[in-house]
Amino acid sequence: AQTIHQWPVAEIKAVGSPLSLGCTIKGKSSPNLYWYWQATGGTLQQLFYSITVGQVESVVQLNLSASRPKDDQFILSTEKLLLSHSGFYLCAWSRGLGANTGQLYFGEGSKLTVL
Amino acid sequence: GDQVEQSPSALSLHEGTGSALRCNFTTTMRAVQWFRKNSRGSLINLFYLASGTKENGRLKSAFDSKERYSTLHIRDAQLEDSGTYFCAAEGGSSGNKLIFGIGTLLSVKP
Repeated sequence: AQTIHQWPVAEIKAVGSPLSLGCTIKGKSSPNLYWYWQATGGTLQQLFYSITVGQVESVVQLNLSASRPKDDQFILSTEKLLLSHSGFYLCAWSRGLGANTGQLYFGEGSKLTVL
Repeated sequence: GDQVEQSPSALSLHEGTGSALRCNFTTTMRAVQWFRKNSRGSLINLFYLASGTKENGRLKSAFDSKERYSTLHIRDAQLEDSGTYFCAAEGGSSGNKLIFGIGTLLSVKP
């Protein structure tokens, strides 16, 4: 069975400090990987997606970056946090069905508070 | 841009009854997914449909791409069904980016 693990569960960070959120998928080779973000009271927005190692596509510009250093790992980061980065970050994977995303499976999320 | 209009925003049901949630799309979508938010705030996938209907226990979902809507039917509602449900669709000008609805807060009461 496939499992998806996100870390950290929660972070409180200062404005201007760096951030790194991680996501690991086990039990599935070559998954499509995604980062989503939800501001408090907002709708879920897709930030990045990756269909293969080393390749990441940006969907929404939020002064964040993402990398896929390994087939099963997806990293979200920034060197300087903004207050607006606060929210709930979700990593997800899918098998991908041609042009379609396919059924999406989410991790448990990382709650970020920027002060 | 492409829109996903989810309704109702809140729904109250008595145990044992049923109802439907609906998502309307402003453009033709290729596929729809339904999720339920868990206690941590993450999303559990209930259904993925590219067409037709699917059923799982007391839940049934339908997707009509041509008519631009999807529904999630809940029958014989139980207290543990309470929570927030979301639809998400892909297609139109959004490409393979999922566009989420605002969610439906379901409350099941004794």
